[in-house]
Amino acid sequence: EAQVTQNPRYLITVTGKKLTVTCSQNMNHEYMSWYRQDPGLGLRQIYYSMNVEVTDKGDVPEGYKVSRKEKRNFPLILESPSPNQTSLYFCASSQDWESSYNSPLHFGNGTRLTVT
Amino acid sequence: GNSVTQMEGPVTLSEEAFLTINCTYTATGYPSLFWYVQYPGEGLQLLLKATKADDKGSNKGFEATYRKETTSFHLEKGSVQVSDSAVYFCALSRRGNKLVFGAGTILRVKS
Repeated sequence: EAQVTQNPRYLITVTGKKLTVTCSQNMNHEYMSWYRQDPGLGLRQIYYSMNVEVTDKGDVPEGYKVSRKEKRNFPLILESPSPNQTSLYFCASSQDWESSYNSPLHFGNGTRLTVT
Repeated sequence: GNSVTQMEGPVTLSEEAFLTINCTYTATGYPSLFWYVQYPGEGLQLLLKATKADDKGSNKGFEATYRKETTSFHLEKGSVQVSDSAVYFCALSRRGNKLVFGAGTILRVKS
């Protein structure tokens, strides 16, 4: 089954404790992206990747890191989480950057992060 | 820059009522327009899309028409069901640009 898999689904942590949210897709997609969803703000892009070893900042990259060492994986790293990073996070992928404007993004089921 | 404005929710309807969720956009050129739906506990999934003016996207009884003259892409359904309860996101994209989402509209359908 074609899917985007995120882990964990729920995560509660404390300020400053490094964490990683994993994302993996099995569709051989080139384009992957991370979003955060906050009430009243919709989805805001954090980082995206057009292919292996190619990543770039989205609208709200501060406090986050990403890497793309393999095509299927695109982990999101919070090196020193803060309470304002409490949010619902989604990973998404599409076939490639060129077609992403016209073809659907495939989303994972989300990771609800709470930073206390 | 590109932006999407959706009507605020929540929208609460009775089963079999008519649904309209308004969406207007600001963009240069000719963007593609989308509606995504997010069911409780799940990620977003594409509901329908339209890629040029006057196109009508449709899926699962939902429809939306790309109106360039009014820069709108309103979502409609003739008879909603309880299972349609979800968050609906309008979005736009242009070639070479990322997808831009609206804030989302919560729909609650009561039996």
